Amino acid sequence: DAKTTQPNSMESNEEEPVHLPCNHSTISGTDYIHWYRQLPSQGPEYVIHGLTSNVNNRMASLAIAEDRKSSTLILHRATLRDAAVYYCILRDVIEGSSNTGKLIFGQGTTLQVKP
Amino acid sequence: NAGVTQTPKFRVLKTGQSMTLLCAQDMNHEYMYWYRQDPGMGLRLIHYSVGEGTTAKGEVPDGYNVSRLKKQNFLLGLESAAPSQTSVYFCASSYRTGKRTDTQYFGPGTRLTVL
Repeated sequence: DAKTTQPNSMESNEEEPVHLPCNHSTISGTDYIHWYRQLPSQGPEYVIHGLTSNVNNRMASLAIAEDRKSSTLILHRATLRDAAVYYCILRDVIEGSSNTGKLIFGQGTTLQVKP
Repeated sequence: NAGVTQTPKFRVLKTGQSMTLLCAQDMNHEYMYWYRQDPGMGLRLIHYSVGEGTTAKGEVPDGYNVSRLKKQNFLLGLESAAPSQTSVYFCASSYRTGKRTDTQYFGPGTRLTVL
């Protein structure tokens, strides 16, 4: 399984943009990049995913490098509620075959947001 | 929709006792998963199910059993609890099969302590 590397922790000030990096140098051509986050004492929640093109949704943006060996999750204006552990995950799924669909979690990046 | 619910929220067991954790989802999802999360670590997959009546082993299945008698429920059993099973347990579900873009929906977790 392809692995991801993320910084252990990052800090941000409230209402400023945050760029959370993820390296995945062994990504395969058909791996999707997913981001989940886990707020304190809660289960993980989906944030965003992408394959090759940059993606935007109401929560965040995902910028994917042209060679797909890295990606960056962008929170445009961090709030205190965004303090969480952010996981960058490569999707272990094969189209059209019996598979687990499991998510392989690393240790993620703990984001602290300062008021 | 309630989404994914887990019962109980907290439990303390003595070594050797048994218990069952219940996960229920009301989204008509095919896939269901059980993960455990130890302090400061990411989630690890215990068992999963790709449909009613089917189960399979994940990364860390030893000491656990599961059943999926109904599509909406996924049970995790500990036959003889050990202190090493002290952890937070998360259940998740997802809709499609074999699709890289599936989103997993997580429950709030069960905090289990084995003395």
